[in-house]
Amino acid sequence: ILNVEQSPQSLHVQEGDSTNFTCSFPSSNFYALHWYRWETAKSPEALFVMTLNGDEKKKGRISATLNTKEGYSYLYIKGSQPEDSATYLCAFAGGFKTIFGAGTRLFVKA
Amino acid sequence: EAQVTQNPRYLITVTGKKLTVTCSQNMNHEYMSWYRQDPGLGLRQIYYSMNVEVTDKGDVPEGYKVSRKEKRNFPLILESPSPNQTSLYFCASSVTSGNYNEQFFGPGTRLTVL
Repeated sequence: ILNVEQSPQSLHVQEGDSTNFTCSFPSSNFYALHWYRWETAKSPEALFVMTLNGDEKKKGRISATLNTKEGYSYLYIKGSQPEDSATYLCAFAGGFKTIFGAGTRLFVKA
Repeated sequence: EAQVTQNPRYLITVTGKKLTVTCSQNMNHEYMSWYRQDPGLGLRQIYYSMNVEVTDKGDVPEGYKVSRKEKRNFPLILESPSPNQTSLYFCASSVTSGNYNEQFFGPGTRLTVL
């Protein structure tokens, strides 16, 4: 059974703090690793698609890295803002199926 | 506007009463998928479709059926709903298989089975 794990489950930070969370995934049969941002009462929205070992992606204050050999990806948020409060999901694509982690719930206090 | 739509958004029903949740996308995407989301668990894939008339089981297909007769539509059918199917359901689509392409999600359908 393929398992994707995210840590921590939740995180409370102050505005301006930088933070990071982890996604662990199977290192075999890897096609891509996706990061999604999911705000309460909305739908998940794509942040990054990462395919190559060593990939680094950046969008504004959010960036992500990928290590396919050891099976992990980090998501970083620099200078967190209250509008960054959301659940961040990673998803392992290993064929036609997509396996999502349970997410990291981020709370940013002003 | 490019979007994925789902109907209904909210539904309360009773055990055993057949229901269908519709999903439609206007982006000419080949790949479509259904997920359910339960507290403490990630999105779990129910069924997916690579293209018209091509569907396959995800990780939690029991109790569900799907069809893909047209490219834009991918309905989810619960022939005999049970309380353990109470959940938040998302339909998603992507250009081709979800491996390399981001998925676009619908607004979600909150289903309660009494």
